[in-house]
Amino acid sequence: DGGITQSPKYLFRKEGQNVTLSCEQNLNHDAMYWYRQDPGQGLRLIYYSQIVNDFQKGDIAEGYSVSREKKESFPLTVTSAQKNPTAFYLCASSVRVSPGANVLTFGAGSRLTVL
Amino acid sequence: AQKITQTQPGMFVQEKEAVTLDCTYDTSDPSYGLFWYKQPSSGEMIFLIYQGSYDQQNATEGRYSLNFQKARKSANLVISASQLGDSAMYFCAMREGGGGSQGNLIFGKGTKLSVKP
Repeated sequence: DGGITQSPKYLFRKEGQNVTLSCEQNLNHDAMYWYRQDPGQGLRLIYYSQIVNDFQKGDIAEGYSVSREKKESFPLTVTSAQKNPTAFYLCASSVRVSPGANVLTFGAGSRLTVL
Repeated sequence: AQKITQTQPGMFVQEKEAVTLDCTYDTSDPSYGLFWYKQPSSGEMIFLIYQGSYDQQNATEGRYSLNFQKARKSANLVISASQLGDSAMYFCAMREGGGGSQGNLIFGKGTKLSVKP
């Protein structure tokens, strides 16, 4: 079945460590996204990529980095510069189902806890 | 100012009854899209329904319908015949810009719906 696979599902990190969250899709979607979700909040965009080898900052990119070397993969690195990294991270990809309607398909998420 | 406002942090509904989840939005762009997503306790976001700003008719998808009132800038989600499996967080989201926009969505804070047996 086609979909988005995020790993790991749960991750614990010590302060000062970088950590990389994996996101793989087999939907053949061009665009991919990373969102952060905090308790009681909606999703906020970290980074997005519309094509391979290109990506743009979202609303809260500071302390994060991404790469897009393959169409299927869009890993997110949470660096030690991120002041409050404990959150739920969601990866998504999109396809245009009608003019103007880019529908996001999400992975199951990765929950990062900083100890 | 918030772009997407969901004023109901939590809602209860009796099984088999209909429920309306409120969403208001703020944009000056004449071209935009409105989306509703469901987030069960497992965490995955599930797309429910889409309404474009130029669509003449309200969108419907099975038991879901979107009550789009453009002048009021509201896009309420109506779930008919609620089921226990409908218990989840529901998020309203908006994409500004025309068809070239690649789906950068602005999300509301969500409404937690609980369906009572």
